[in-house]
Amino acid sequence: GDQVEQSPSALSLHEGTSSALRCNFTTTTRSVQWFRQNSRGSLINLFYLASGTKENGRLKSAFDSKELYSTLHIRDAQLEDSGTYFCAAEGTNAYKVIFGKGTHLHVLP
Amino acid sequence: EAAVTQSPRSKVAVTGGKVTLSCHQTNNHDYMYWYRQDTGHGLRLIHYSYVADSTEKGDIPDGYKASRPSQENFSLILELASLSQTAVYFCASSDGAGGQDTQYFGPGTRLLVL
Repeated sequence: GDQVEQSPSALSLHEGTSSALRCNFTTTTRSVQWFRQNSRGSLINLFYLASGTKENGRLKSAFDSKELYSTLHIRDAQLEDSGTYFCAAEGTNAYKVIFGKGTHLHVLP
Repeated sequence: EAAVTQSPRSKVAVTGGKVTLSCHQTNNHDYMYWYRQDTGHGLRLIHYSYVADSTEKGDIPDGYKASRPSQENFSLILELASLSQTAVYFCASSDGAGGQDTQYFGPGTRLLVL
């Protein structure tokens, strides 16, 4: 069945540095969503993309439906960026999305 | 910003008991979803609904029922709770179909089955 794999599974960054998270798909998908889960467990939607790139502050995401991956770039990481980042791809059934297992990000002082 | 609320926020249940988790959204969204999250894993879809009085099975529906009595409300029912159903449960809503529109999540319900 459809699968979504995220890499890396865990990442530590020092404040002020930048990195990219990746979401790989086993089959093509029409859209991808990125979420952050904070320490309280709340899930916050960061981006919805059907194609192209979107940027919000220090976060930028890219997705090309012809490719089998999406990326989330974090620039100038801050302590409050710590959390678990999930991507979710539209399944063959458009009603459903398939979640990856997440990337645990720890931003260090 | 979409507003999705869940109740209770946490619950302890006994094995074999009945548990009802409730979800309410105030944004006029047609689509609602129930997911479970287990430690160290992503979210898995249990049931979803795209119209009142109708529900659909997700990827892991066994042991769960769902009810959508109105556009705003979506409940998840565990008729006979089991230890394996200990998890955090999230409700979500979206204006369009789940893969075609942004999903907005509730705060989650932490369920412990003893």
